[in-house]
Amino acid sequence: GAGVSQTPSNKVTEKGKYVELRCDPISGHTALYWYRQSLGQGPEFLIYFQGTGAADDSGLPNDRFFAVRPEGSVSTLKIQRTERGDSAMYLCASSPQRSGVNEQFFGPGTRLTVL
Amino acid sequence: AQKVTQAQTEISVVEKEDVTLDCVYETRDTTYYLFWYKQPPSGELVFLIRRNSFDEQNEISGRYSWNFQKSTSSFNFTITASQVVDSAVYFCALSEVIQGAQKLVFGQGTRLTINP
Repeated sequence: GAGVSQTPSNKVTEKGKYVELRCDPISGHTALYWYRQSLGQGPEFLIYFQGTGAADDSGLPNDRFFAVRPEGSVSTLKIQRTERGDSAMYLCASSPQRSGVNEQFFGPGTRLTVL
Repeated sequence: AQKVTQAQTEISVVEKEDVTLDCVYETRDTTYYLFWYKQPPSGELVFLIRRNSFDEQNEISGRYSWNFQKSTSSFNFTITASQVVDSAVYFCALSEVIQGAQKLVFGQGTRLTINP
């Protein structure tokens, strides 16, 4: 079946602009995660959705970052007033709702560049 | 706080050599999970293995093997008879479970280059 998809694959924007990054999880996966990966680093957790609600947004760096998942499937990560430091690869992952700890399936990522 | 350390930033070997990637973790939890992911140049993280803290048995999958030692908080990954296609960045990760969220805490990664 289809894996996690993310669009766009690349996004170049200017400082101060607003951007939206989209994630389509694997069908049937109720858990959805956003991570941010800076160059040469491992991914860092941003936010977790269980269904439609953000169960844990403790990784969002500040209030310029916001994410939604209105119908429990597709999620959008929104960044307001972008700054050069926001430049990174943004990764989305989904996971089935089963007992125990489950594998997270990652998408190809969106590379965001803020000029 | 949970932490994963991959001390080897880059490793370069010649094809067919064996190579071990080190991973050391810190956690106060008694129940936790460890993962290895591969990130090829395409950028997509590929799951390799999941291991829970109660299972210290080593695991082998083809040319890949994993050595989990709770006493030293290590979860090392060995590739036997390496191939050029193994070239990638490899990440070790620890699962932190808080309020149902399975947050992965990643190490900084080890860039592995296999030269022909």
